[in-house]
Amino acid sequence: GDSVTQMEGPVTLSEEACLTINCTYTATGYPSLFWYVQYPGEGLQLLLKATKADDKGSNKGFEATYRKETTSFHLEKGSVQVSDSAVYFCALSATDSWGKLQFGAGTQVVVTP
Amino acid sequence: SAVISQKPSRDICQRGTSLTIQCQVDSQVTMMFWYRQQPGQSLTLIATANQGSEATYESGFVIDKFPISRPNLTFSTLTVSNMSPEDSSIYLCSVLHSNEKLFFGSGTQLSVL
Repeated sequence: GDSVTQMEGPVTLSEEACLTINCTYTATGYPSLFWYVQYPGEGLQLLLKATKADDKGSNKGFEATYRKETTSFHLEKGSVQVSDSAVYFCALSATDSWGKLQFGAGTQVVVTP
Repeated sequence: SAVISQKPSRDICQRGTSLTIQCQVDSQVTMMFWYRQQPGQSLTLIATANQGSEATYESGFVIDKFPISRPNLTFSTLTVSNMSPEDSSIYLCSVLHSNEKLFFGSGTQLSVL
């Protein structure tokens, strides 16, 4: 079945450092790919998404490119802030299964001043 | 966007009892879902709440344990029945908005003693 694998955390960074969270997937067909973020004490929020190969999703300085050849959707940010401290989840939605997400395990990111 | 109110936000329950979680959306939505996030783990889809008909359960989840109601397009309930400590999790309602984005409620943190 479909699955998502993302790098384990916690990832600890200093402010203004570069962040990359690796995410790879296994799926049949052409899934849509998502990054969700869960800030401390808050609910899950959609950060960005990509629905087809070579699409780049971007939001709040974060980017991820849908790479079908490597079945990856790595999340990147060039300069993190303390406010980016959160748990990040990579997820996929199979074709014709909108809303039914398969999530990765989540990666906790801690940004220190 | 969709605003989702989920109640209760947290509860501590005794083994063998049942808890009903409510999810109210501020607009009509076609699709509503219930997810579970067990401690230290990722989110897992429990079921799709169908308006006017029985919910569609994912593998490993059954109606007797997790009965779901969806009387209209803005409201759903999930009941966790005959609880055991293994049911201690965060339960999340989510809705698929007309813009094809999936929104999540803030979750219900359940602890079973």
